[in-house]
Formats: sequence, structure tokens, C-alpha cells
Amino acid sequence: DQQVKQNSPSLSVQEGRISILNCDYTNSMFDYFLWYKKYPAEGPTFLISISSIKDKNEDGRFTVFLNKSAKHLSLHIVPSQPGDSAVYFCAAAGTDKLIFGTGTRLQVFP
Amino acid sequence: DSGVTQTPKHLITATGQRVTLRCSPRSGDLSVYWYQQSLDQGLQFLIQYYNGEERAKGNILERFSAQQFPDLHSELNLSSLELGDSALYFCASSAAVGTYSTDTQYFGPGTRLTVL
Repeated sequence: DQQVKQNSPSLSVQEGRISILNCDYTNSMFDYFLWYKKYPAEGPTFLISISSIKDKNEDGRFTVFLNKSAKHLSLHIVPSQPGDSAVYFCAAAGTDKLIFGTGTRLQVFP
Repeated sequence: DSGVTQTPKHLITATGQRVTLRCSPRSGDLSVYWYQQSLDQGLQFLIQYYNGEERAKGNILERFSAQQFPDLHSELNLSSLELGDSALYFCASSAAVGTYSTDTQYFGPGTRLTVL
């Protein structure tokens, strides 16, 4: 039972445009959400997070939106850069529980 | 460089064998987490230790065990290995007590285990 789903395994975006990565969750007890970025042959790197008491958190080019009623979060990257090409994992956290999605591979082309 | 080290980088072994993966957390971090990433799977949380004590358990098989030593390094022991255990195993560390918190988890580069 996938409690955290990233339904798009891959996404291709032109440099300078917006990248939108989506994540859905099923457990309403999750109250903290994170995005990680992973380059090949490296471990995941924390990118941005959001608490369930907020609906938006911004850090530079990265913004995470949370829609609790829809149990949906998204990561917006604008403008996208070739160096953003990586696999992005969303994760949802609750008491003693941390569940990762399967990841979305983002390719930013010139 | 996250400051988390994992050894070995690659491990090839046969079914039925036992292996030990090692992780050294970032300096000052008391929590160590272990994750498994299989092909086409997300990161599966296995287990967390905080300052030597088991703190939380995820989808860890009974054939797997872990411990955290007084110097805070951790080992993940995988026994009676099966083909399906082939995966990337990541270790992460943080200063946090909880399984999650606003304290970031810093991941090591992973150990790729191949079971033949």
C-alpha cells in the first residue's frame, strides 16, 4: 500500500521554464512533508519542507505547495536549470513514521 | 559532501550469505537512520537509532538487524540474503531525536548490494 505516491516517474522541462513535481498521500495523520533531490551515485539531499499548518513554503527558486484537503503537495522550480536534473523524492512524516515516494526523474534541457 | 560516510560502496555476495554495512554519522549527530532503495521503489525506512538506542522501526525484515555503537557509528546486518535484497542501502544522520523533525536528515552515498 503506497501511502505516498509520485505518479509521474519522469518529467522533461526546458531550461528557464517552470518544473512542477507532484506528490499525493493517503494518510491524513501526516503532518510534515519534505522534498529530497538525488543525483546519480549520491545520497538524497534535503531540498525543502513544509509543515501541515502551512500551505506554502518558498526557498529561492523552490516552492512547495500543500493542499491538505486534496492530500496533495507539489514542488515548483522556477526557473529550471540544467543542474536541477535529478530524481526528486517527496516524503511524508507523522509520529514515528516517515514514508518516501518512488521519485520523479526531472530532466532540464537547454 | 554530507559528512555521512558509508562503507563499502559496493558489495557483491551470494544468496544465503550475511553482510554488514557500516555508517558513520555526521559529527555531533546522534540519530542514524537506515533506508533501502530497491529498483523502481522509493526509499523504504528500515530503522532508526538515537544515541545507541533503537528509536523507530519501519519495514525492516527479521533477517535484518542494526545497532549503534558508543562512538555513534552504526552497522546494518543482513543475513540469509535473498535475490530480492539487492538494493541501495542508505544511511542518514541528524541531530534530531524523532523519526522526523525540522532537523534535516543528511544522507550518505549509499552501499549498493548485489545478491547473486
